[in-house]
This record gives sequence, C-alpha cells and structure tokens, in this order.
Amino acid sequence: SQQGEEDPQALSIQEGENATMNCSYKTSINNLQWYRQNSGRGLVHLILIRSNEREKHSGRLRVTLDTSKKSSSLLITASRAADTASYFCATDRTGGGNKLTFGTGTQLKVEL
Amino acid sequence: NAGVTQTPKFRVLKTGQSMTLLCAQDMNHEYMYWYRQDPGMGLRLIHYSVGEGTTAKGEVPDGYNVSRLKKQNFLLGLESAAPSQTSVYFCASADWSTDTQYFGPGTRLTVL
Repeated sequence: SQQGEEDPQALSIQEGENATMNCSYKTSINNLQWYRQNSGRGLVHLILIRSNEREKHSGRLRVTLDTSKKSSSLLITASRAADTASYFCATDRTGGGNKLTFGTGTQLKVEL
Repeated sequence: NAGVTQTPKFRVLKTGQSMTLLCAQDMNHEYMYWYRQDPGMGLRLIHYSVGEGTTAKGEVPDGYNVSRLKKQNFLLGLESAAPSQTSVYFCASADWSTDTQYFGPGTRLTVL
C-alpha cells in the first residue's frame, strides 16, 4: 500500500508562478523526502526534512512538514519550463529499516 | 563517477522466459534497492539489500529473486516472466549517512 498520497495528481501553471504540491502519509516517520522524475528518467533527490523540523529551504524549493497532520508540502517558487516533471514524496517510516515508501506523484507542467 | 547504472535499458520477453537485470553502483553504498514503477502507482519496492551477501523482501517480491554477491552489484531475476511484470524497473543505492537514495535510469520491460 502507498504510504504517501500526493495532491493534486496533476498541476499546470505558467512560467514564473509558484507551484505547491501536498503529500499526506499514514504512519510516524523519521524523515520525508521529495524526488523529481523527468519523463523517462530515474528519480533525483531534491530535499529531505526530518521529523523534528517544520520547514526547510533549498534554492527555489521550500518544504514544510506537519507531523500532527501527517502532511508535507513542496513549494517551487518562480517556476521554469525546466521544472516540468513528476514530483514524488517518500517517507522513511519509524522502524521501517532504511526503506523509503513512495507516493503516487504529482505531474507538474510549466508552460511558457 | 557513473553513479548507478542499469542494464539493459529495454527488453521484450515472452511469457515464461527468464532474464536478469543488472544494477551497478560506484559510490561504495551499502544499501541497494529494486523498485518497479507502474502508471499511476508511484514506485513499489521489490527487494532490497543492506550489504554484500544480504537480501530482503520488499512490498511486491513475488515472481522475483535477487542476489548481492558483490557490494557494487545488485541483480534482479525473473524466473518465469508474466505479463503482469511489464513495468519500468529502477535500481537505487543509498547513502544512509545522508538518508538519500540515488537512482539508475531504469529498465523498460515488456512481457508479451
């Protein structure tokens, strides 16, 4: 079963706008990570937030984590056409033994 | 540094045939993983390894076997392929000092 569910499933925005994706999960976690997948390629790690952190930034990425609601959001600011990709959240569950459980992904399309 | 490589990139099998997918990493990572990705379902863990000579079952292990005879290589075998195993297969290795997984480019497998 999927641990993480992303919302929305698909998102289409104009270049320069901000994109927000959400992830909900079911069990307690050590950390939550976001990955990007360009069409036909492998996944690339973007950012990790630990269970004792509430917000983290990396360049144009901002991740928040609310462990009480078991949810996370990924914000991409000033989006570019090159940000067009699928984005997946992945959780490292407490007691899960160094394994990640991936969500179903959000397909982001950034139009010129 | 090649990172994580997978061979082959594409393969077409007939039902009942067998094959082995090879994953190699040059980052000296202890942990390695095999996932399958199906449309709309994100990534699901098939098998994983926490070190040379060790393997363990993931979420969807049936119909697959693995071996980790050398630290840098992780093999995924299909003994008798079925159409339900048509998928894109990704290998990953993990640096758990940073809790980050590194993915290969994937193998697209079609079973007729």
